[in-house]
Amino acid sequence: NAGVMQNPRHLVRRRGQEARLRCSPMKGHSHVYWYRQLPEEGLKFMVYLQKENIIDESGMPKERFSAEFPKEGPSILRIQQVVRGDSAAYFCASSPGKGEAFFGQGTRLTVV
Amino acid sequence: KNEVEQSPQNLTAQEGEFITINCSYSVGISALHWLQQHPGGGIVSLFMLSSGKKKHGRLIATINIQEKHSSLHITASHPRDSAVYICAVRNSGAGSYQLTFGKGTKLSVIP
Repeated sequence: NAGVMQNPRHLVRRRGQEARLRCSPMKGHSHVYWYRQLPEEGLKFMVYLQKENIIDESGMPKERFSAEFPKEGPSILRIQQVVRGDSAAYFCASSPGKGEAFFGQGTRLTVV
Repeated sequence: KNEVEQSPQNLTAQEGEFITINCSYSVGISALHWLQQHPGGGIVSLFMLSSGKKKHGRLIATINIQEKHSSLHITASHPRDSAVYICAVRNSGAGSYQLTFGKGTKLSVIP
């Protein structure tokens, strides 16, 4: 049973480009969470999704950021028109419900 | 909103030493997680606790619900234990799927 898979592991984007981060949850997990870890800061909740539904996006910036978890395929975190301040590690976690969440390896986004 | 405080922020130990990392939180929770993050690496879940004590190999985690406090202990520490250890709490009640994280404790174990 593969763990939570995130890709790419590292992503470099120029200012103004779009970044698409993918997360494939563990088999049997229908709950996905995205977290952001800014340099020298702790992890912060961004968004919680279940299949085809956004349950809570209260931690996500109102503009330029969006997330989806389609019926088929991975969850996608999309950042449009990236700025330097978006440089961070983005972690995805999945769980079967309210139980223990398992984390992926993260995607390290660098905006140049 | 729950506030999660970890101490110490940084910890250097000699190989073989017994290590304790502390975590305090401000409001009631349904569960507490201890996570490990190696430099540039992913996050590994070490323990999920709602009461009492859990042990896995050289790692022991305890929680005192009344005092809103948890500790992570590492016995016979080894250089490969060098990592950032993060405490995260899951609130009880509404929004209980959200985790609130401490800032982490950076552990360095010297041979």
